[in-house]
Amino acid sequence: DAKTTQPTSMDCAEGRAANLPCNHSTISGNEYVYWYRQIHSQGPQYIIHGLKNNETNEMASLIITEDRKSSTLILPHATLRDTAVYYCIVRVAKNNFNKFYFGSGTKLNVKP
Amino acid sequence: NAGVTQTPKFQVLKTGQSMTLQCAQDMNHNSMYWYRQDPGMGLRLIYYSASEGTTDKGEVPNGYNVSRLNKREFSLRLESAAPSQTSVYFCASSETPGGVTEAFFGQGTRLTVV
Repeated sequence: DAKTTQPTSMDCAEGRAANLPCNHSTISGNEYVYWYRQIHSQGPQYIIHGLKNNETNEMASLIITEDRKSSTLILPHATLRDTAVYYCIVRVAKNNFNKFYFGSGTKLNVKP
Repeated sequence: NAGVTQTPKFQVLKTGQSMTLQCAQDMNHNSMYWYRQDPGMGLRLIYYSASEGTTDKGEVPNGYNVSRLNKREFSLRLESAAPSQTSVYFCASSETPGGVTEAFFGQGTRLTVV
């Protein structure tokens, strides 16, 4: 199963863009990259997902390298409420079923 | 719209006691999951149910049993609780088993086994 590697923690100034990297060098061609975040030990919250192309929604942008071995989640204007643990996940589909395997994530600290 | 609801939110058990964690979703999702999260770690998959009537083991199934009671409900049972099962338990659901879909999570059950 494809694994992900993320930095343990990152800091970001409020109002600036937060760029969170993720390595997934063993990802297979049909496996999607998902991003979730977890605030104050609440249930994880879906942010965005992608396969090959860059994706954008109201929360964030996802940039996937051409070889798909790494990706970056971008929060364009970080606020204090974006302080959370961010998980980069490779969705593994086996026997026509999705499994979401979580790593340890990146703790993003947004500072005033 | 409640989404995924877990009960109870907090529980303290003595070693050897049994209990069932309840989970219900109101989004008509086919698939449901149980995860545990230990301090400072990510979530680990305990069991999942691809669709009503089916259940399968995840990464860490030992010491647990599950029941997919109907499409809405997926329960997790600890038959003989151990201190190693002290954790936060999350239930999740997703629309389809194999499609590209996001998973929605409950708010968690914080279980302490003494």
